[in-house]
Amino acid sequence: GEDVEQSLFLSVREGDSSVINCTYTDSSSTYLYWYKQEPGAGLQLLTYIFSNMDMKQDQRLTVLLNKKDKHLSLRIADTQTGDSAIYFCAESTPRDDKIIFGKGTRLHILP
Amino acid sequence: NAGVTQTPKFQVLKTGQSMTLQCAQDMNHNSMYWYRQDPGMGLRLIYYSASEGTTDKGEVPNGYNVSRLNKREFSLRLESAAPSQTSVYFCASLGLSYEQYFGPGTRLTVT
Repeated sequence: GEDVEQSLFLSVREGDSSVINCTYTDSSSTYLYWYKQEPGAGLQLLTYIFSNMDMKQDQRLTVLLNKKDKHLSLRIADTQTGDSAIYFCAESTPRDDKIIFGKGTRLHILP
Repeated sequence: NAGVTQTPKFQVLKTGQSMTLQCAQDMNHNSMYWYRQDPGMGLRLIYYSASEGTTDKGEVPNGYNVSRLNKREFSLRLESAAPSQTSVYFCASLGLSYEQYFGPGTRLTVT
């Protein structure tokens, strides 16, 4: 069945790069997403990548997609305290308009 | 554009009481969703609606009903609340690139 896996926690020093990893199982996924959730708020779309792309860069964010290994990563350069949040990986299956979410990775920033 | 709005923001119910969570979007999206978020469980899909007049069960539909009143509004009803339904509930709608837009959430406590 469809599943999205990601590690639950990541600690990074302020100023370093953060890399959050995700694996998915549905090879027919069309879009893959990264969402950010700050405390007490809803999920906010950070970026997404179409499945025929390998990489997408948007300012401090770099998304890498390895379709062969079904592996998606989000790199945040120069991590700031404001990046502290839960990051959700998700995949879409347009055949039924469902989005499958991972359980989220809590990013903790060390001073 | 208000995006996706949800009411109420907070609610406390006694076991057995009923209530309806309201959701509206002003982006003319066809698909809308209800999720619940519990610690360590990520987002779980309760129900979704691919278009006005249609609804489908998600991963955890038991104890809930939904109504897609029109294209803008998608409500979630708890007929007889149980403590297991204590959670944060998010409504979302689906954009053209299959990205989801989330509301701010409703924090529900059932005592």
